[in-house]
Formats: sequence, structure tokens, C-alpha cells
Amino acid sequence: QKEVEQNSGPLSVPEGAIASLNCTYSDRGSQSFFWYRQYSGKSPELIMSIYSNGDKEDGRFTAQLNKASQYVSLLIRDSQPSDSATYLCAVRVDTGRRALTFGSGTRLQVQP
Amino acid sequence: DAGVTQSPTHLIKTRGQQVTLRCSPKSGHDTVSWYQQALGQGPQFIFQYYEEEERQRGNFPDRFSGHQFPNYSSELNVNALLLGDSALYLCASSLQGAGANTEAFFGQGTRLTVV
Repeated sequence: QKEVEQNSGPLSVPEGAIASLNCTYSDRGSQSFFWYRQYSGKSPELIMSIYSNGDKEDGRFTAQLNKASQYVSLLIRDSQPSDSATYLCAVRVDTGRRALTFGSGTRLQVQP
Repeated sequence: DAGVTQSPTHLIKTRGQQVTLRCSPKSGHDTVSWYQQALGQGPQFIFQYYEEEERQRGNFPDRFSGHQFPNYSSELNVNALLLGDSALYLCASSLQGAGANTEAFFGQGTRLTVV
């Protein structure tokens, strides 16, 4: 079982729709959760971080965390073609370790 | 505010050679982590440097080594290159003293091709 799992996609949504990206993790000690966006050929760009259960909103992005279910998601409202990218979920166990464990990413395609 | 900078951006090496990649962390950050990202995969953790010492290491062979300098910049060295070492190498910087809620920011990466 992979430590962080994501559906590879592609997830295709029409422009203006809500895109929902999901991630599950196996280490119950995970305390910090991150979503990175990566355009083809570029490096990952941090878009959201979440540390406690519930929702965290930042502009068109909402991260949701459920530690009991070991599940974290990212919602993108009013999706734009410029949102088309691979979205990487990353988790960190903050017990002296600082390494991020990444999923393989979900490719999102927003159709104009 | 300078972000994370890496050099070079692209590199082509021959099997068996050695390579050194460089990273300068974001201003105010003191910790540098290195990741390897193969095509179609998520980044894989190589190691992390803080206070000029390797603090944590991922599942990579000893051919991968590193260094951190007093100004917090870092180098990643890979010896005896294999074709399988071809990947995007990413440097991430963070602030160790920021507690649990610390975020890591990536440089633009170095694309290494081994032929």
C-alpha cells in the first residue's frame, strides 16, 4: 500500500465547474497536509496547507481534512483552464521529521 | 524577497560520471531538503540538511550525498551516475524553528539527463 494515494486521472471538468481532488494517507501520525500544483515541466507550487480537521478556504480553493478517515481533499471552485495541471498531495509526520511524502498526483483538465 | 534558486536548470551527463547540483534557500529559511521526481511520479525525498548536518535521509543509496554551507545553501552530489538517475531534482526550503506549521517551497528544479 502506498503511503499517499491519489487517483492519477485525468480528471476532466468544464470551465466554471467545481473540481474535487482526493487523497488518502496511511500513516496515522501524519499531522501536516499540503496541496501543490505542478504545471508540466515546472516545479511544484504550494497552494494550500491544512493542519486540523475541517475546511480551510483560500480564494477559489478549499482544503478539507478528516484525520479519522485519513482523507484530505482539495476543491477548486469556478475552475479555469489555467487550473489545468497536476495536483500533488503531500503529508508530513511532525515528530522531528520534516520530510514530505507525496502522492503521484492527479492530472486536472479544465475544458473551455 | 528571493525565492528558492537552483542551478543549473538542465544538465546532461554520461553514465558513470559525477554531478553536483546547487540550491539557495528562500530568504529567512534554514533547512534544505532534496527530492527526486521521475516522470509521472510524485517527488521522492532524498535527504534534508539543517545546521550543516544531514538530519533525515530517504531510501537512496550512498551514491547520493550532500552538503550544507554556513549560509544555508546546499549541494547535492551524485556519483557513478546511472541511467535511472535521470529525473527532475528539486530543492525545497523551510524554516526549522517555525514549529509544526512550517511550509516547504520548491525551487525551479534541475533536469538531469543521464545518457
